[in-house]
Amino acid sequence: EADIYQTPRYLVIGTGKKITLECSQTMGHDKMYWYQQDPGMELHLIHYSYGVNSTEKGDLSSESTVSRIRTEHFPLTLESARPSHTSQYLCASSEYGPKRAGGELFFGEGSRLTVL
Amino acid sequence: GEDVEQSLFLSVREGDSSVINCTYTDSSSTYLYWYKQEPGAGLQLLTYIFSNMDMKQDQRLTVLLNKKDKHLSLRIADTQTGDSAIYFCAVHSGGSQGNLIFGKGTKLSVKP
Repeated sequence: EADIYQTPRYLVIGTGKKITLECSQTMGHDKMYWYQQDPGMELHLIHYSYGVNSTEKGDLSSESTVSRIRTEHFPLTLESARPSHTSQYLCASSEYGPKRAGGELFFGEGSRLTVL
Repeated sequence: GEDVEQSLFLSVREGDSSVINCTYTDSSSTYLYWYKQEPGAGLQLLTYIFSNMDMKQDQRLTVLLNKKDKHLSLRIADTQTGDSAIYFCAVHSGGSQGNLIFGKGTKLSVKP
């Protein structure tokens, strides 16, 4: 069983609020990822990190920001939430990355965000 | 960039075999993955295949890879109602690390 946790699982907030989605893993993985999942199921990579103090933007442009101050923690922040940010956000981690054997991604259970 | 395509829905009867298909555009992916997502949960690795293999079997799961046609399939034998979920095909992008690119997911419904 994967040891990667996301909080909150569900969040309903008003427009303009600042929110932080937490993601923590206890596996010591260097690589961590944030995916945004549409209501229609498609997953888009929005941020990733290959280690402490390393963050990169993913394939889908996002107004969110991330930080990686500790190996186990990879929070995602929206400074001013809008209805267009309503989505499910999935955090994942990997020891080696998908190009190597054993490089599977372990996913958290997701944070479902609704912005009114 | 990499493009991964899957059909969106598949409905089968309990006990039948399910076949979920996936096509991709970039042939440089070393490993190709199948992930499963149950309702209200994150994704879980189901199986994967190394690019120099044509087939991999793991209990009820069979993965077939046709590199020439860039086609990947997942066969689930004796499909059970507990197999109802969304199945994602994923390949990794180019570059030194390569991030996973997911298909849109195939929603498998199993009728009793």
